[in-house]
Amino acid sequence: AQSVTQLGSHVSVSEGALVLLRCNYSSSVPPYLFWYVQYPNQGLQLLLKYTSAATLVKGINGFEAEFKKSETSFHLTKPSAHMSDAAEYFCAVSDGGGTSYGKLTFGQGTILTVHP
Amino acid sequence: DTGVSQNPRHKITKRGQNVTFRCDPISEHNRLYWYRQTLGQGPEFLTYFQNEAQLEKSRLLSDRFSAERPKGSFSTLEIQRTEQGDSAMYLCASSARGSSYNEQFFGPGTRLTVL
Repeated sequence: AQSVTQLGSHVSVSEGALVLLRCNYSSSVPPYLFWYVQYPNQGLQLLLKYTSAATLVKGINGFEAEFKKSETSFHLTKPSAHMSDAAEYFCAVSDGGGTSYGKLTFGQGTILTVHP
Repeated sequence: DTGVSQNPRHKITKRGQNVTFRCDPISEHNRLYWYRQTLGQGPEFLTYFQNEAQLEKSRLLSDRFSAERPKGSFSTLEIQRTEQGDSAMYLCASSARGSSYNEQFFGPGTRLTVL
């Protein structure tokens, strides 16, 4: 069984500060990992994904994430927060095959607040 | 706009009524997923279609829930005899054929409120 744990349900940063959203996963097979963002009353939008190529993944809007197998982590970072980054962020894992058909298992989400 | 669309966006119903939601995926996508998202939680997988075949159902999908994708295009999710615990956002996603790491494109969701 797969699971995802996002440490911190709320993260607050100042505009221009580093954003760090934490994600740890559990998977019995090599995982595919994703970060999605959700703005109020909207669906989820993919920020970036790890698919066993480069361990440092760059996504949209200046976000990036690093896959660390030894730590079973896939933390999301952005060097300088912008007001428009305020949203809820979800980490998700797919086991990449077998009978899962690519279904995603999500963490509980982290709400990012950006202060002026 | 050629993204995933869902209708209705909002549905308020009384306990015990039946409701049906529709999802129109991106036209060339053969994979379609339904997820449920309750307040303060991440989405949870409900069911998956490849073309018209329903290949996987979560244990969350009780006998009151049924999903169809009759022609391999749009899909419907029906909830019979709704309960207050069914109140949630129901999300539909689609992806292209191929690897399971293909991006899933999500619709805006249908928010169900059961009174």
